[in-house]
Amino acid sequence: KQEVTQIPAALSVPEGENLVLNCSFTDSAIYNLQWFRQDPGKGLTSLLLIQSSQREQTSGRLNASLDKSSGRSTLYIAASQPGDSATYLCAVRGNFNKFYFGSGTKLNVKP
Amino acid sequence: EPEVTQTPSHQVTQMGQEVILRCVPISNHLYFYWYRQILGQKVEFLVSFYNNEISEKSEIFDDQFSVERPDGSNFTLKIRSTKLEDSAMYFCASSENRVNQPQHFGDGTRLSIL
Repeated sequence: KQEVTQIPAALSVPEGENLVLNCSFTDSAIYNLQWFRQDPGKGLTSLLLIQSSQREQTSGRLNASLDKSSGRSTLYIAASQPGDSATYLCAVRGNFNKFYFGSGTKLNVKP
Repeated sequence: EPEVTQTPSHQVTQMGQEVILRCVPISNHLYFYWYRQILGQKVEFLVSFYNNEISEKSEIFDDQFSVERPDGSNFTLKIRSTKLEDSAMYFCASSENRVNQPQHFGDGTRLSIL
C-alpha cells in the first residue's frame, strides 16, 4: 500500500526566508502528485500539480519538483511571507485512481 | 473563480441515524470525489465518481456509504447507521478530468456523531 510521508511535521521561519518542504512516497508507480495548502477550518487549496512525466512545476514563488524513481517531491517557497502560514499537504494519485495524502507540514512564517 | 461548495458546514447527528452530505462541484468538471479527515489524522480517499457511477473506492467505503448525483449539479454522500468513529471532516472535490487536471476541494462538512 502506498505510504506518503512529509518532513518536517512543523516548521517556523522568519519572514523572507526561502524554505523547502519534503514529501516522500513508497510506491513510485504514480500518475501525478499534487501540493495543497490547508488553512485552519478550511478545505484544501491546490497549489501545484506535477504529472509523473514531469520534473517540476512553478507558480509564482512556489516551485515543486518530482523525482519519481526515488519517491520524492519537494516544495520550494521563495521569500516566505506571513500569509504563507498554513499546513502544506502532498498527495499522490496511485494505481486505480486512488489518492494518498501525507500528514502535512505546518508552516509558521513569523513577521 | 468557480468553486466547490458543500452544505452544511457542520452536521450534528445521533449515532445510528442516517446523514446526507451535499456538494455542488464546479460546473464543467466531470470527476467527483469524497474524502474524510478524522481530527489529527491524514486526509483519506473514500470514493471517486464519473459518468454516474463509482470509478474507484477505498477500503473505508463499505456498504455503510453511498454516493449519488441526483441531478445535474449536486453530488451527495450518504452515511447509513452512523457510528461515533464516523465523526470527521468530509471533503468533496472535483476535477475536469482524471489525469492531468488538479482536484479542487470544498471547505468541508464537519460531521459530529453523538
